[in-house]
Amino acid sequence: AQKITQTQPGMFVQEKEAVTLDCTYDTSDPSYGLFWYKQPSSGEMIFLIYQGSYDQQNATEGRYSLNFQKARKSANLVISASQLGDSAMYFCAMRETGANNLFFGTGTRLTVIP
Amino acid sequence: ETGVTQSPTHLIKTRGQQVTLRCSSQSGHNTVSWYQQALGQGPQFIFQYYREEENGRGNFPPRFSGLQFPNYSSELNVNALELDDSALYLCASSPGRIMNTEAFFGQGTRLTVV
Repeated sequence: AQKITQTQPGMFVQEKEAVTLDCTYDTSDPSYGLFWYKQPSSGEMIFLIYQGSYDQQNATEGRYSLNFQKARKSANLVISASQLGDSAMYFCAMRETGANNLFFGTGTRLTVIP
Repeated sequence: ETGVTQSPTHLIKTRGQQVTLRCSSQSGHNTVSWYQQALGQGPQFIFQYYREEENGRGNFPPRFSGLQFPNYSSELNVNALELDDSALYLCASSPGRIMNTEAFFGQGTRLTVV
């Protein structure tokens, strides 16, 4: 089974609007971490936001927030006030307890329309 | 910008050849992880080097090998190249074995096997 599922291959959003990128995960580990990365065309993975499985509150980092629904095993990324520079690939990833690696989803390509 | 640099940025090799990719780690980081990202996919974990020793490996054959130097920079070697090895190869530098929010990725090496 896929550990990380991103069901939206592509998304469009109008500039200045908010957009939600979906991510569901599968693990039996009670302790895990969820990451979101942005990958522009240059290739580098840029860390955006992190949510630990035991964190009581949803993570926020500037215009990025994470809608964490533990019972549904979902960790959706919300980008508010979209900017043209937000156009990129977005990847959800998970790290299980003590793991030295991340499992990535297949990504969502976000396009911001002027 | 991160302090993680990869070289070369692009490379074209012929099937059956061998290739070496390089990654410098962020200052203060002692761990380098390598990922393969095929076109349209998320990155997949190849292996990790921690203090010059291999510390975990993904589902990749032995012709994928690595090395870490005393300055914590790292090399990824691939022997007997196959067409399916064409991908973006990313390295991530981190201050410890556990991938966390302090890990930084390089911009990647795009390998094309013809």
